[in-house]
Amino acid sequence: EVQVVESGGGLVQPGGSLRLSCAASGFSFDSYAMTWVRQAPGRGLEWVSGVSFNGGDTYYTDSVKGRFSISRDNSKKTVFLQMNSLRAEDTAIYYCAKNWGYFDCWGQGTLVTVSS
Amino acid sequence: EIVMTQSPATLSVSPGERATLSCRASQSVTTSLAWYQQKPGQAPRLLIYGASTRATGIPARFSGSGSGTEFTLTISSLQSEDFAIYYCQQYNNWPRTFGQGTKVEIK
Repeated sequence: EVQVVESGGGLVQPGGSLRLSCAASGFSFDSYAMTWVRQAPGRGLEWVSGVSFNGGDTYYTDSVKGRFSISRDNSKKTVFLQMNSLRAEDTAIYYCAKNWGYFDCWGQGTLVTVSS
Repeated sequence: EIVMTQSPATLSVSPGERATLSCRASQSVTTSLAWYQQKPGQAPRLLIYGASTRATGIPARFSGSGSGTEFTLTISSLQSEDFAIYYCQQYNNWPRTFGQGTKVEIK
């Protein structure tokens, strides 16, 4: 079964950092790009970042450029999202998804709350 | 950034009726357009990609059409499990962008 499972969310103070992880199984992880999408409470979906199959190319939405960093470890079938200088507006469920065109497999998400 | 605009925001439909959802792009995305369904408390699920290709396991009552800037998702006969929020998303350009969603509710 194709599956991705996120972890690492939690409560963090404004200005703090958090590292999200996404563990993949059931597919050839090192052949696929991966993506992070977030959803603020009661709001729609927002694409955050994507990484190519080998980690060589990365993309970010403007609001997180310079603060977030996406990476992957193909030996561990895991993709990461390092989030620094967190703001209240980063509060959301963060979903990991397979591929970076259309997203054909989603995890259940991990909640990040930025609050003092 | 390509802006995706969905209409209507809310669609009230009776079970068994047809639902037609629209998605407009601020510039051409060719056929690089996907549709997702999201139910409360759940992750989104891919329905359609390439504007008209159903994803694995998606029932035939879901169909997509369009190209360029105008797209449509049609649910031919609404079932109880289809009441949800639907999002379109373009993947022709970076950044990837989603529409704001259409909520399909029971009439």
